[in-house]
Amino acid sequence: QKEVEQNSGPLSVPEGAIASLNCTYSDRGSQSFFWYRQYSGKSPELIMSIYSNGDKEDGRFTAQLNKASQYVSLLIRDSQPSDSATYLCAVRPMDSSYKLIFGSGTRLLVRP
Amino acid sequence: NAGVTQTPKFQVLKTGQSMTLQCAQDMNHNSMYWYRQDPGMGLRLIYYSASEGTTDKGEVPNGYNVSRLNKREFSLRLESAAPSQTSVYFCASSEPLSSGANVLTFGAGSRLTVL
Repeated sequence: QKEVEQNSGPLSVPEGAIASLNCTYSDRGSQSFFWYRQYSGKSPELIMSIYSNGDKEDGRFTAQLNKASQYVSLLIRDSQPSDSATYLCAVRPMDSSYKLIFGSGTRLLVRP
Repeated sequence: NAGVTQTPKFQVLKTGQSMTLQCAQDMNHNSMYWYRQDPGMGLRLIYYSASEGTTDKGEVPNGYNVSRLNKREFSLRLESAAPSQTSVYFCASSEPLSSGANVLTFGAGSRLTVL
C-alpha cells in the first residue's frame, strides 16, 4: 500500500465549477499536510497547508482534513482554466522532521 | 531572488557514465533535498540534508551520493548511471519542516536521460 494515495485523474470540470481533489494516507501519526500545484514541465509550488482537523480556506482554495479517516482534500471553487495542473498531496510522517511523502498527483482539467 | 538554482537543466548520459547535479539556494535555508519524479510515481525523496554537515538517505538512495558543500550548495552524484535513473530531478530547500516554516521551495528541475 502506498503511503499517500491519490487518484491520477484526469479530473475534468467545467469552468466555474467546484473541483474536489482527494488524498488518503497510511501513517496515522502524520501531523502536517500539504497541497502542491505543478504545471506541466514546471516545479511544484505550495498552495495550501493544513495541520488540524477541519477546514482551512485561502481564497478559492479550501483544504479539509479528517485525521480519523486519514483523509485530506482540496476544494477549488470557481475553477478557472488556469487551475489546470497536477495537484500533489504531501504528508509529513510522524517519525521525521524533514521528510515529505508525496502522492503521485491528480491531474485537473478545467474546460472553458 | 533566484531561490533554488539547479544545473544542468537537461543531460543525456550513456549507461555507466557519471555526472553531478548541482543545486544552490540563496534563501539561507538550513535543509535541502533531492527528489526524483517519474510518471505515475510522484516525487520520491533520494537524499536530504537537515543542516550543513549532515546528509541522510530518503526513500530511493541506491545509485546516488550527495555532498552538502556548504549551507548554500547540495550536489547529487550518479557514479555509474543506469537507464532506471532516467527521471526529472528536483532540488528543494526549506527550514526544518517541524519548525512551522513548512514551505518547500523547488528548483526548476533537471531532466536526465540515460541511454
